Amino acid sequence: GESVGLHLPTLSVQEGDNSIINCAYSNSASDYFIWYKQESGKGPQFIIDIRSNMDKRQGQRVTVLLNKTVKHLSLQIAATQPGDSAVYFCAEMRETSGSRLTFGEGTQLTVNP
Amino acid sequence: SQTIHQWPATLVQPVGSPLSLECTVEGTSNPNLYWYRQAAGRGLQLLFYSVGIGQISSEVPQNLSASRPQDRQFILSSKKLLLSDSGFYLCAGSPAGVAQGVYNSPLHFGNGTRLTVT
Repeated sequence: GESVGLHLPTLSVQEGDNSIINCAYSNSASDYFIWYKQESGKGPQFIIDIRSNMDKRQGQRVTVLLNKTVKHLSLQIAATQPGDSAVYFCAEMRETSGSRLTFGEGTQLTVNP
Repeated sequence: SQTIHQWPATLVQPVGSPLSLECTVEGTSNPNLYWYRQAAGRGLQLLFYSVGIGQISSEVPQNLSASRPQDRQFILSSKKLLLSDSGFYLCAGSPAGVAQGVYNSPLHFGNGTRLTVT
């Protein structure tokens, strides 16, 4: 069936390094992708999004890359900080599903000082 | 900007008791509203969504129901809780227009309710 999932459940990096979190999706009709950050005990917080007609989008310290050929999405965090420690979710939406987002399972990012 | 309010933050209820979780939205009119459930260490499962007052769509068969009595109010309910209803419940909202295909506005989430059914 259709799914959005992550390659790795956990990622540990040193403070100051760059982090890359990956996500695979199976439905080629997906046309909108979002990355969320969820800290313990809180709701997910929007980080960045990208439409399927784009390959790359940059925000503050974050970059999302979309490879439609292999149906792969990644989130790059530059100069990772301890405050970046959280679970990161990718989510996808497609027009035929209305406004419903499908979420991946999440990757736990731990930043070591 | 849009703000989602949820309460209570935590709730412990016995099996068989009723449930009512409330969600309200500030900062936007006619939002699309959603209820998600998150199991520990897992992703989010969509339970219900609403594009307007009295309009509810259910995504999965379950022991829960949802209602939208006002434009900015979304309620999750159960008549009799089951142990399997335990989880982290999140309300989310997005500006109107998403359901019409203008889906370039992301969902904003509340801080959730941790429900434990004992």
